[in-house]
This record gives sequence, structure tokens and C-alpha cells, in this order.
Amino acid sequence: QVQLVQSGAEVKKPGASVKVSCKASGYTFANYGVSWVRQAPGQGLEWMGWISAYNGHTKYAQKFQGRVTMTTDTSTSTAYMELRSLRSDDTAVYYCARDCSSISCSLFEYWGQGTLVTVSS
Amino acid sequence: SYVLTQPPSVSVAPGQTARISCGGNNLGGKSVHWYRQKSGQAPVLVIYDDIDRPSGIPERISGSSSGQTATLTISRVEAGDEADYYCHVWDSSSDHVVFGGGTKLTVL
Repeated sequence: QVQLVQSGAEVKKPGASVKVSCKASGYTFANYGVSWVRQAPGQGLEWMGWISAYNGHTKYAQKFQGRVTMTTDTSTSTAYMELRSLRSDDTAVYYCARDCSSISCSLFEYWGQGTLVTVSS
Repeated sequence: SYVLTQPPSVSVAPGQTARISCGGNNLGGKSVHWYRQKSGQAPVLVIYDDIDRPSGIPERISGSSSGQTATLTISRVEAGDEADYYCHVWDSSSDHVVFGGGTKLTVL
């Protein structure tokens, strides 16, 4: 069965960086993409960006351009999301989700369990 | 940027039908997906491509789309349907994913 298992909760200080991992299993990793979605406390879902596991192409939401980097390691079927220059309003649960392989579609059939990132001085 | 509009809340008695709307410009030309998110859990896909159900989703959950509005319909509502529901599209003009603001379904 398809599974996406994310790394554990993180506590960071303002200005620091965080890197969240998402290990996939149960499907051919390179045949799909991975999107990252975050959810601030009590708020809705916010898309951060997408990466193709096939060729590493990325598309980032404008809000995060210059502050986020998404990568994949096909040898371990793992996707990574790094967010830099953290602020208190980056406190959220970060989800990875299996997405389409191409940039021209989007469908999140499977989700990771979420990683809580807390930014606090 | 493209905007999807959902009502913040919908309330329905057990056994009745809940309808959750999602509005957007030219929405009929896009594929709309719906997710259910129970408290403290990750979202779960319940409807994709406007009307299709993933395996394991009961038939009493259905979707439709016409013109500017997509609708998620939950028939014979149960206490276990209480959750937040989000609609989702891909906006080709911006190459961005867009989520609706979410609707909290309360079972009275």
C-alpha cells in the first residue's frame, strides 16, 4: 500500500531553517510528483509547491519563492522540503502529498501524516 | 490570482443531506477535487475530477460541477462525517494549486 512517512516535529528559532523529509513506499517513486502543503493552527490548507520525482523540476508558490527548496532522492524514494528564514507565522503542520508527474495537473491521492514545525524564540 | 469560495460552515441533522459549495470563475472548465479532514488528521481525498470517488469512499458521498460552482453532497449524514472539507483545483493560468478556504461540517 502507498505510504508517505514524514520526519518528526521540529522547534526552530526565528531566522533559522528547517528541512522536512517524506519517505515514500508502495509505488514507483519516479512516476509521480510530490507537493508540499502547510496548515497553520486553526487555518486552511496552503500549497507551497511541487517537485517531479522523475526529473527534479519544481514549481513554487509565489509566496515562498526564494525561501523554499524542494528536492528528491530517488535512491531512497524520499522528498525533502527546506524552508529558510523562518518567522513565527511559519508555525504550521507541513504535509507532503503524492501528486501528478507533470506540472499541468494536480491531485493529492495520498498524504503524509504531517510534521509540526514550531517557530519560537 | 484564482480564488475558490466555500461557505465557512454547514450544519445538518443526522440522516439529512449536506451540500457544500465551491465557487470560482469558469470552474466548470477545471477538474475539482475534494478532501475531508477530521480533527488532528491529514486530509483524505473523497472526490476527484468533479464526480469520481476513490476506492473506499461510500456512494453516499458524491460530487457535481456546473458553471461557476462545484458541489459536494453527503447523503444520510452520520456523526462520523463531521469534519472540514476543502475543494482544490489546478489553475493553468498561474500554474498554481488553489484550495478553497474550507467548510466545517457540523452534525447536529
